[in-house]
Amino acid sequence: EIVLTQSPGMLSLSPGERATLSCRASQRVSSDYLAWYQHKPGQAPRLLIYGASTRATGIPDRFSGYGSGTDFTLTITRLEPEDFAVYFCQYYGAGRSPPWTFGQGTKVEIK
Amino acid sequence: EVQMLESGGGLVQPGGSLRLSCAASGFTFSSYAVSWVRQAPGKGLEWVSSISGSGAATYYADSVKGRFTISRDNSNNTLYLQMNSLRAEDTAVYYCAKFPAQWLVFDFWGQGTLVTVSS
Repeated sequence: EIVLTQSPGMLSLSPGERATLSCRASQRVSSDYLAWYQHKPGQAPRLLIYGASTRATGIPDRFSGYGSGTDFTLTITRLEPEDFAVYFCQYYGAGRSPPWTFGQGTKVEIK
Repeated sequence: EVQMLESGGGLVQPGGSLRLSCAASGFTFSSYAVSWVRQAPGKGLEWVSSISGSGAATYYADSVKGRFTISRDNSNNTLYLQMNSLRAEDTAVYYCAKFPAQWLVFDFWGQGTLVTVSS
């Protein structure tokens, strides 16, 4: 099983600041299969990034993703009030059990 | 607009059963595989089960295999999860989620329904 470890667990920032979130895989993985989601309490999770760096439809360009191998990063360049949420990464491992695994999440809270 | 709305959660005793439903709209339901993903209190997300668009292929996490059954009714655009022999560790918010054409990511999710297994 691919284990995804996200850091930090919590990030306290002010609107307008830059957020940098990390997702580390337990072994080398394909960036084609790494995604990021945003989740607000009581709402449906929202796909932000797939293929490590491609923004999903309608996602603002202040969200960007990059990485390869075992280390992946989600960056929010200028935090808007609506960006304070939990962010989690997800990996699809073909032929693995389970095929879809998730990181434990990083909460971005207002400082 | 794609919408997915879960229902059927609640409090159930250990060993009991529950059936979750997910009503989908805004897309051609039968053309896409869909899944259940859960999040236990204080824990990360865990994939539970997936089913192909036709319903012919189903997949389960080891933690629920033999106890949970995923199914779908394409005439009513509804996904189901029959949960039997429930355990305390099944307590979680259960989300239904849709795959795009490739089963790599979950492009749309519901808001979730809470299942609590407790005596």
